[in-house]
Amino acid sequence: NAGVTQTPKFRILKIGQSMTLQCAQDMNHNYMYWYRQDPGMGLKLIYYSVGAGITDKGEVPNGYNVSRSTTEDFPLRLELAAPSQTSVYFCASSEGQNNEQFFGPGTRLTVL
Amino acid sequence: KNQVEQSPQSLIILEGKNCTLQCNYTVSPFSNLRWYKQDTGRGPVSLTIMTFSENTKSNGRYTATLDADTKQSSLHITASQLSDSASYICVATPYSGNTPLVFGKGTRLSVIA
Repeated sequence: NAGVTQTPKFRILKIGQSMTLQCAQDMNHNYMYWYRQDPGMGLKLIYYSVGAGITDKGEVPNGYNVSRSTTEDFPLRLELAAPSQTSVYFCASSEGQNNEQFFGPGTRLTVL
Repeated sequence: KNQVEQSPQSLIILEGKNCTLQCNYTVSPFSNLRWYKQDTGRGPVSLTIMTFSENTKSNGRYTATLDADTKQSSLHITASQLSDSASYICVATPYSGNTPLVFGKGTRLSVIA
């Protein structure tokens, strides 16, 4: 199993540009999550999904959108990039809410 | 407010020595307590998960303890190795189904030869 994969690894955006961060998992997990990790801070939940077709906001959803059309994929969309969105983004998945979360390698995003 | 506080912020130890990292949480009601290891430039990897009824759990040279009464947890690393250099993150899971995990800021451990 590849586990949780994320693309791209790095990206630089200009203010106002848009992009989609890709996330896929091959463990047939129902739960998937998007987090951001700012320097020296704990991970913050952006959005999560408990199954295909279902998504919910986390703590810091503003400026982001997600979709979950399949069990495997959970892309994160930034529509109008802002410098405040400069961060490292991690996707994770788990079998259930109280089960271990498996994290992807992260995407480092810089908005200039 | 649900919070997780970790100490120390950073720690440097010699290879072969033991160390203990601390975690205090104010999450309530509480479901479980997790410790993750995050290598530089990588995603976190789970070390242990303890429910509120468990006092201790081991994973190789890593031993986590939990005191649900005082809302404290610790992670003890025995006979440290250079590969233990990483950030160690304490995470508390609220009992409520839709409440997200609460992450600490982590302790940055450096093991030197």
